Amino acid sequence: TQLLEQSPQFLSIQEGENLTVYCNSSSVFSSLQWYRQEPGEGPVLLVTVVTGGEVKKLKRLTFQFGDARKDSSLHITAAQPGDTGLYLCAGLRGSNYKLTFGKGTLLTVNP
Amino acid sequence: NAGVTQTPKFRVLKTGQSMTLLCAQDMNHEYMYWYRQDPGMGLRLIHYSVGEGTTAKGEVPDGYNVSRLKKQNFLLGLESAAPSQTSVYFCASNRGGGNYGYTFGSGTRLTVV
Repeated sequence: TQLLEQSPQFLSIQEGENLTVYCNSSSVFSSLQWYRQEPGEGPVLLVTVVTGGEVKKLKRLTFQFGDARKDSSLHITAAQPGDTGLYLCAGLRGSNYKLTFGKGTLLTVNP
Repeated sequence: NAGVTQTPKFRVLKTGQSMTLLCAQDMNHEYMYWYRQDPGMGLRLIHYSVGEGTTAKGEVPDGYNVSRLKKQNFLLGLESAAPSQTSVYFCASNRGGGNYGYTFGSGTRLTVV
């Protein structure tokens, strides 16, 4: 059973379009993180959300943490080819700061 | 550049061979982790360490051993490699605290034939 479900699994869009990626769980997390991974590299942290209902913006990226701290979304406005990559959500539960990762959303933005 | 360094980047092993993957971080982080990434499975935690001299099992520890003799290094060992251990392995470190993310290395692609 996957603790964190990400959808969609794959997304291919044209430059300039908007998109939303979802990360859902039946469990409560103390914080939720989003990473972006490019081919041949390790994931790189984009943002951490900690408070239920929190919204964070990073240029064209908007991250939201659900009120119940069980889900999160990533919205990209006016996507660009440079946004192409694997987007991973990860939730923090319990001690020792162990992250549980979703399977990821592979985004392709075509010029 | 400060960060997490993994060696080697690529390795091919024959079934039954052994090897050690090295992870080094220069950020003085207490926490270190080993994950494997497989298509359709995402990142899964193998072992982790909460400080020098400590190790603990993660989600998929079977077939692997780890050691953290020095704070900056976290070693992952495969004593008798199996084809099921073909994967990309990532090491990560964390300073501790829910607000801080992981810093990942660039990975080791291991193929067991």
